[in-house]
Formats: sequence, structure tokens, C-alpha cells
Amino acid sequence: QVQLKESGPGLVQPSQTLSLTCTVSGFSLTSNSVHWVRQPPGKGLEWVGAIWSGGSTDYNSALKSRLSISRDTSKSQVFLKMNSLQTEDTAIYFCTRSGAVAKGWFAYWGQGTLVTVSS
Amino acid sequence: DIQMTQSPASLSASLEEIVTITCQASQDIGNWLAWYQQKPGKSPQLLIHSATSLADGIPSRFSGSRSGTQYSLKISRLQVEDTGIYYCLQRYSNPWTFGGGTKLELK
Repeated sequence: QVQLKESGPGLVQPSQTLSLTCTVSGFSLTSNSVHWVRQPPGKGLEWVGAIWSGGSTDYNSALKSRLSISRDTSKSQVFLKMNSLQTEDTAIYFCTRSGAVAKGWFAYWGQGTLVTVSS
Repeated sequence: DIQMTQSPASLSASLEEIVTITCQASQDIGNWLAWYQQKPGKSPQLLIHSATSLADGIPSRFSGSRSGTQYSLKISRLQVEDTGIYYCLQRYSNPWTFGGGTKLELK
């Protein structure tokens, strides 16, 4: 079945770079896009960016200058890198994929990984 | 960026009551709208996509509608398990944007 699982450092110091991995199973990254969505504790959801099945990327314009999304299809992994982290980047980071029927809509989600930006 | 103004921010309703949550888009987004439910400590769950289509496995008491740039999620007979926070999402244009959320509680 379709599964996504985020992993990352948990704690990152201000001004440093965040590196997260989304490991997927049950589908191919060359046939499906994967998106990142984040949620500050107790707050709403924010779309971060996406890597499409062909390998191209789209980023939230508010984060674009600090953000990079890439993948390793052989390992079924998607990577998020965000530099110059600030306390406002503290959030749960989810990776998500569209549904087979609900094409393009986030139907499958990872459990999320909490990233805290603090010294 | 397209703004999604969601209302109300919070809502308390009784069992079996009809509940309606709305999202107002700042511009035309066609049917590029979805609704999600999120329970504490969990990932969001897709309820409605393409404004009016029920997602797989979602009870038929949930429905979505559109009137121009206003979108509504209706729960026809509120159940205990329907409590949580509801979000709308537009994917008409980059950046995809969520509404601010509606916290639904039982009265």
C-alpha cells in the first residue's frame, strides 16, 4: 500500500540548513508527484513545494530563495533542503501524494516530523 | 497569491445538527478546491476534492458545493467523530494555499 515517512534532525540551530527525507513505498516517484506541507505548532497548514513525476519542481514563492527539493528514484526518497532557518520555520513537516482517483489532491500523507529551530 | 478566507474560525454544534463551513477565494479558482479534516496529532484527511467530489471512504453526510468564488463544506448530521479542524485548499495557482481552519467541537 502507499506509504510515506518523513525523517529528519528534530532540532536545527538558527541560520543553519534543514535536511529532511521522505521515504515512500507502494508507488514510483517517476509516476507520482510528492509535495511538502508544513504546520507550525497549533497553527494552520502551508504548502511548501513539490517535485513532479518528471523531476521538475515548484516552490512556494515565499520560501523559494531558501528551498530545494530533489529525489533519488532508486531509493524511493524525496529530499527537502531549506537554508537560513529561523524560529518561524519551526513546524511539523509532512510529505504527501495525490490520490489515484482524486488526482492532484493530497490523499496520502506521512505522519509528519517536527522540526524545532532553536539555539 | 490567492487568499482563502475560511469561516467561522470555530464552531460548536450538537449531534445530528447540520454544519456548514465556508471558504471565500480572493479570485476565481474554478473547481480547484478541496476540504480536509485534521484530528489532534494526526495528518490531514481528504474529504472533498474538485469542490464537490467525495473522496474515497468518506461518509455521504459530507458534501461540498460552490457558488462563484464561495465554497462550502456541509455535514448533514454531525457525529461525534466529526470533531476536529477543517481546512480548505486551493490548487488553482502557485502557491497552493490553505484556509485558516475551522475548529469544530461538539456542544
